Amino acid sequence: QQKVQQSPESLSVPEGGMASLNCTSSDRNFQYFWWYRQHSGEGPKALMSIFSDGDKKEGRFTAHLNKASLHVSLHIRDSQPSDSALYFCAASEQQGGRALIFGTGTTVSVSP
Amino acid sequence: EAAVTQSPRSKVAVTGGKVTLSCHQTNNHDYMYWYRQDTGHGLRLIHYSYVADSTEKGDIPDGYKASRPSQENFSLILELASLSQTAVYFCASSDRGNERLFFGHGTKLSVL
Repeated sequence: QQKVQQSPESLSVPEGGMASLNCTSSDRNFQYFWWYRQHSGEGPKALMSIFSDGDKKEGRFTAHLNKASLHVSLHIRDSQPSDSALYFCAASEQQGGRALIFGTGTTVSVSP
Repeated sequence: EAAVTQSPRSKVAVTGGKVTLSCHQTNNHDYMYWYRQDTGHGLRLIHYSYVADSTEKGDIPDGYKASRPSQENFSLILELASLSQTAVYFCASSDRGNERLFFGHGTKLSVL
């Protein structure tokens, strides 16, 4: 079983709308989360990290972590066509110094 | 921005042949990683390295070897390529104690 599971598999959002992505770790050892984004033909790029309970906001992106349930979400406000990409959730066993385990990804399509 | 260069960008190999994928980083990062990407599986960790001349097994190491001869270079070796190893392979690097990975553009490997 995947240690990091994401939903939905794909998501369509109108331009200017809100996209909401979900991620859950099935292994209680993996409590430190990152979000990565991959545009077609490129390698993934880090968006943001979240290590503490609650919300973390970076521009139009807000991540929310609930450590008790090992659930993390990513919300993209005012979605733009350039946000169309594959989004990965990734988790690690400790903060700093360990390899990341990635989920299967959510494909986001933003239509003008 | 940090630079990770992979070569070749694409390769066609024959079943049973030997394949070497190369990765070079100019970020002065200590940590390097090899992931493979398949539709429906996301990114899966094959091998990683925290220091030159030492490698660690990831989640799916079977059928792969890794070599880290210097801080800058990290290779992935398929001694006997198989059809199931057809995938896109990504190399990444990160600073010590930081999970912000910098990925290369990937190598598309087709085994026929």
